[in-house]
Amino acid sequence: KQEVTQIPAALSVPEGENLVLNCSFTDSAIYNLQWFRQDPGKGLTSLLLIQSSQREQTSGRLNASLDKSSGRSTLYIAASQPGDSATYLCAPRIGGYQKVTFGTGTKLQVIP
Amino acid sequence: NAGVTQTPKFQVLKTGQSMTLQCAQDMNHNSMYWYRQDPGMGLRLIYYSASEGTTDKGEVPNGYNVSRLNKREFSLRLESAAPSQTSVYFCASTPGSSYNSPLHFGNGTRLTVT
Repeated sequence: KQEVTQIPAALSVPEGENLVLNCSFTDSAIYNLQWFRQDPGKGLTSLLLIQSSQREQTSGRLNASLDKSSGRSTLYIAASQPGDSATYLCAPRIGGYQKVTFGTGTKLQVIP
Repeated sequence: NAGVTQTPKFQVLKTGQSMTLQCAQDMNHNSMYWYRQDPGMGLRLIYYSASEGTTDKGEVPNGYNVSRLNKREFSLRLESAAPSQTSVYFCASTPGSSYNSPLHFGNGTRLTVT
């Protein structure tokens, strides 16, 4: 069974810092991996989706990397802003979408 | 541009009561999913519908039933609510497994069973 770990569970940084969120997974035979953002009391918003054949995916200040062989993905946030404060979840997929496994997330607080 | 809409947003039930959580998507997606989110456990799949007319169990189906009413709507029913079903419930959709596209989520239903 796929196990997904996100470290750290919580992170507090001053505004403007660059930061890295980590995601590790035990089954490397993934089809793709998604990074989501969840604001308090809200649903999940997809940030980036990396296909298994890709190494990186970028959107604005966000860059996600994938190393399938080592079972790791990172989400890099450049020049963090208070509006980036949220919980970030990673979710690798094996096979159909019923085989998506979610991590428990990293709760990020960006202090003005 | 509503995406995935869930109703109600909040609900309090007494043990043994029943209720149906509603989900509708306007993106013409084939596949729909019900998840529950509990503190420290991540999202867990309850049931899913790969296409209109089909439903299958996920990781934690006990105590729930689902209906794929049409391509747009997928409902989750609790026949006899238990305190262990206190959770936040999310509905999600995708075009289908053959597509490399993201999951789209609703804003959730927060359910408390007393």
